[in-house]
Amino acid sequence: EAQLVESGGGLVQPGGSLRLSCAASGFTFSNYWMSWVRQAPGKGLEWVANINQDGSDKYYVDSVRGRFAISRDNAKNSLSLQMNSLRADDTAVYYCVIWHESSGYLDSWGQGTLVTVSS
Amino acid sequence: DIQMTQSPSSVSASVGDRVTITCRASQGISSFLAWYQQKPGKAPKVLIYLTSSLQRGVPSRFSGGGSGTQFTLTISSLQPEDFATYYCQQANSFPLTFGGGTKVEIK
Repeated sequence: EAQLVESGGGLVQPGGSLRLSCAASGFTFSNYWMSWVRQAPGKGLEWVANINQDGSDKYYVDSVRGRFAISRDNAKNSLSLQMNSLRADDTAVYYCVIWHESSGYLDSWGQGTLVTVSS
Repeated sequence: DIQMTQSPSSVSASVGDRVTITCRASQGISSFLAWYQQKPGKAPKVLIYLTSSLQRGVPSRFSGGGSGTQFTLTISSLQPEDFATYYCQQANSFPLTFGGGTKVEIK
């Protein structure tokens, strides 16, 4: 069974940076697209970014493009999200998720890590 | 970007009721639509993908339908564990987008 464990969340000041990590196990990580999805407190779900199996193809929601960078290390079964120039509206729980390319759905989700941007 | 509009935003229902949630896309998305269930403090869980395919392990009282721009999630007989928030999501094109959610509450 797939397991995804996020880490790296915390409190950061506006304009600051944070790097989220996701440790994957229980499946062949290098075979799957991966996603980051976030959820602001009390709000709905928002897709953030996708990366393909070898890291050569990446997609971002407009609100984070140029500030966030998704990456992966298949040798370490690890997914990352580098977040720069953080703003208050980036405050959210960030989930690491397996994305099924052929059908487009988000399959296994991690438990999430909370990022709070506040002075 | 494709906008996803869910209705209603909340519904009060009793155990045993039939509940239908609607999701409308701002443009055609073929059959690339998924439904998720989220309980408080937990990560979402996929129920249905490609409009009507039931994810393994999901009870058969959940069903999905529709095509093009109009889609539905139906719970045929609401159970106590089904009280949660439900989201639709389109996967026809990036950015992936979600509906605003429908909270199913106990009547």
